[in-house]
Amino acid sequence: EADIYQTPRYLVIGTGKKITLECSQTMGHDKMYWYQQDPGMELHLIHYSYGVNSTEKGDLSSESTVSRIRTEHFPLTLESARPSHTSQYLCASSERTGLDEQYFGPGTRLTVT
Amino acid sequence: GESVGLHLPTLSVQEGDNSIINCAYSNSASDYFIWYKQESGKGPQFIIDIRSNMDKRQGQRVTVLLNKTVKHLSLQIAATQPGDSAVYFCAENRSAGSARQLTFGSGTQLTVLP
Repeated sequence: EADIYQTPRYLVIGTGKKITLECSQTMGHDKMYWYQQDPGMELHLIHYSYGVNSTEKGDLSSESTVSRIRTEHFPLTLESARPSHTSQYLCASSERTGLDEQYFGPGTRLTVT
Repeated sequence: GESVGLHLPTLSVQEGDNSIINCAYSNSASDYFIWYKQESGKGPQFIIDIRSNMDKRQGQRVTVLLNKTVKHLSLQIAATQPGDSAVYFCAENRSAGSARQLTFGSGTQLTVLP
């Protein structure tokens, strides 16, 4: 089983609050990713990072931001949560080289009321 | 636009039967494909992968077939078990300049009937 962790697993929060979703991996992977997934739907890449101090926006536009200060840590922040942000957020990581099999965390289910 | 998609959103099979889940992709530059299994409340889990220089790859109870001529990928699960019930995603990986990105298709919900 992959060593990638996400906290919290579930979060219910009111509109306008600032939240940070945590993601950590202990595999020493350079590349990390954030996906957004609605129930039963495909995964949409919202952010990725090739390494420390590297962050890029993904295919799906998102109001969230990310940072990569340490290799093992890739937090995602929403400055002002809205009901449209309600979704599941999945973090993943992969090695820099190779064919990029991605290892996923368990996800954070976010509900904004 | 370029996409990876699945033919059927749901699939029900009897326990013990074989399951076949299909996937179509449209990007001929894709050179690596992965099947993921996602159980309820969990993140996707790697099942099997295949490179574009192969037509078939077998794992434990699973086989992936790649037909590059028609851009089609399939996942075969032998002797389907209740624990196989999940959503299955195919993903394609291709180079885009110096970057490599995974593109996921919409999932197929596999339900194993007793």
